[in-house]
Amino acid sequence: EVQLLESGGGLVQPGGSLRLSCAASGFIFGSYAMTWVRQAPGKGLEWVSSVSASGTERNYAASVKGRFTISRDNSEKTVYLQMNSLRAEDTAVYYCAKDGKSDIWGQGTLVTVSS
Amino acid sequence: DIQLTQSPSTLSASVGDRVTITCRASQSVSNWLAWYQKKPGKAPKLLIYQASTLQSGVPSRFSGSGSATEFSLTISSLQPDDFATYYCQHYKNYPRTFGQGTKVEIK
Repeated sequence: EVQLLESGGGLVQPGGSLRLSCAASGFIFGSYAMTWVRQAPGKGLEWVSSVSASGTERNYAASVKGRFTISRDNSEKTVYLQMNSLRAEDTAVYYCAKDGKSDIWGQGTLVTVSS
Repeated sequence: DIQLTQSPSTLSASVGDRVTITCRASQSVSNWLAWYQKKPGKAPKLLIYQASTLQSGVPSRFSGSGSATEFSLTISSLQPDDFATYYCQHYKNYPRTFGQGTKVEIK
């Protein structure tokens, strides 16, 4: 079965860090760029970051650049999002997906930044 | 950065209605545009890619058209399962951006 499974969300204080993971199965993970998208409560979808199939090219939204780092391990079929210096406005459900035409999505993991 | 503007923001319609949502890009994205359906508590679902190609398994009442800066998503006969929020997204370059969304409500 084609699947993406996110983990690592939770409650964190402002200024804290969190690492999200997204494990893939059922498709040739190493052939595809991957992306993270988030949705804050009551808001629309926001693209966060993408990483190329090889992991060498990384792109970030201006809102997270310098604080978030995307990476991947093709041997583990997993993509990561390291989130540092978290702010209240980073509170959202975070989804991983195939980049480009995103036909495969995870179920989402909730990140809450609050004291 | 390429900005995407959807209209309307909210659309009230009845079952069986034909509805059209538009997405305007601030500069050409060629045909590198996708449409997604989003329901509360669910992951986004790809409906249309490359502006007009129907994703496998998506009902044929959904269709997409347009190129460059003007795009539209049409639902030919609205069904109860179609009440949701719809987003366009370009994937021409980075940063990828989404439109602000169009909520399709029951009239």
